[in-house]
Amino acid sequence: AQSVSQHNHHVILSEAASLELGCNYSYGGTVNLFWYVQYPGQHLQLLLKYFSGDPLVKGIKGFEAEFIKSKFSFNLRKPSVQWSDTAEYFCAVNRRSSNTGKLIFGQGTTLQVKP
Amino acid sequence: DGGITQSPKYLFRKEGQNVTLSCEQNLNHDAMYWYRQDPGQGLRLIYYSQIVNDFQKGDIAEGYSVSREKKESFPLTVTSAQKNPTAFYLCASSIDARQGVYYGYTFGSGTRLTVV
Repeated sequence: AQSVSQHNHHVILSEAASLELGCNYSYGGTVNLFWYVQYPGQHLQLLLKYFSGDPLVKGIKGFEAEFIKSKFSFNLRKPSVQWSDTAEYFCAVNRRSSNTGKLIFGQGTTLQVKP
Repeated sequence: DGGITQSPKYLFRKEGQNVTLSCEQNLNHDAMYWYRQDPGQGLRLIYYSQIVNDFQKGDIAEGYSVSREKKESFPLTVTSAQKNPTAFYLCASSIDARQGVYYGYTFGSGTRLTVV
């Protein structure tokens, strides 16, 4: 069965540290890829997305992600985190061949940034 | 402003009762989705609907039911058959991916259901 795996379940960083959150998916076909973020007490919002073209995509708040097709990965990065980045982060995949908008989500990564 | 409204924000249910969670959107989106969020398990798809009067089971549909009588509304009923209903429930909507261009979801703020 298709799955999305986020390797880090809980990450703790100090402010100004660099961040990389891993995401791998198991489906071999063409996919759309997303990262969503859920700040404490807020609803899920889109951080960035990849459909085609340049595999390095930039999102809001200084986040970026790189699609590496050969590794089935879509890792999220930020050069210097801030306390306000404390949140839960979800990777999600949409299979284009499904002809639906269904997203399959990873387990989520909780990021805690210490001031 | 366009968006998705979920109500209530908190819901308490006694064992053996059915409860219905509301989800309304004014984004003119064709597709709507219900997910369940549990700690450490991410979001799991319960049901989805791509068009009015049609819906499909997701990965964990047992013990749940939905209806889609209007484009704007996609209520979820948690029945007494759901063995472990305590969770955070999220509703989302999107344009119809069959139109060829797809941007992902807009989410509601969620309903936290607790069985007492």
